[in-house]
Amino acid sequence: DAGVIQSPRHEVTEMGQEVTLRCKPISGHNSLFWYRQTMMRGLELLIYFNNNVPIDDSGMPEDRFSAKMPNASFSTLKIQPSEPRDSAVYFCASSRTTVNSGNTIYFGEGSWLTVV
Amino acid sequence: AQSVAQPEDQVNVAEGNPLTVKCTYSVSGNPYLFWYVQYPNRGLQFLLKYITGDNLVKGSYGFEAEFNKSQTSFHLKKPSALVSDSALYFCAVRAPQTGANNLFFGTGTRLTVIP
Repeated sequence: DAGVIQSPRHEVTEMGQEVTLRCKPISGHNSLFWYRQTMMRGLELLIYFNNNVPIDDSGMPEDRFSAKMPNASFSTLKIQPSEPRDSAVYFCASSRTTVNSGNTIYFGEGSWLTVV
Repeated sequence: AQSVAQPEDQVNVAEGNPLTVKCTYSVSGNPYLFWYVQYPNRGLQFLLKYITGDNLVKGSYGFEAEFNKSQTSFHLKKPSALVSDSALYFCAVRAPQTGANNLFFGTGTRLTVIP
């Protein structure tokens, strides 16, 4: 299995520019998660989807952030406009979720974003 | 609310010695508990999990963890540390009774194994 695939792996962009991060979950997984990792705040859940439907987006920092999952094999996280404080590692993760299952969440390698 | 505490930011251990990385949790109901490892510039890799059954759980790379309900702990252990075990370790919890599928992570513990 190819695992969770994220792109780009690294991005450096100027403040004010739009950033789009992409994720392909593991085939057959029906839950998808976006996490952000920073030194100050650790790992934070931004949003997660079940069966392509957003379930909890309470972690999305503000309106500059948006996430979509148009189908079971693709999701995007968009930041518009980007700011230096958005610099972080953004992880996509997926799992096969059933009711009350102890399903494991598998992570991608991350997208390392630097906003200058 | 669910939460996880990893009381040690840094753990140093000599190669060949046993290691312990501590984790305590707070959750309503029975928890699902996980350990992940993160190597430099990489994503999180799953090590092991406790869902139900035997309190001692064995996972990848010789790691194990013991679920202790009375102490609300899930410490990660390995009998003999390797230099290659040096990494960042995260404990995480899910409360299935809430219906939420996401994990809540601790702040991480950096393990350094000294040759």
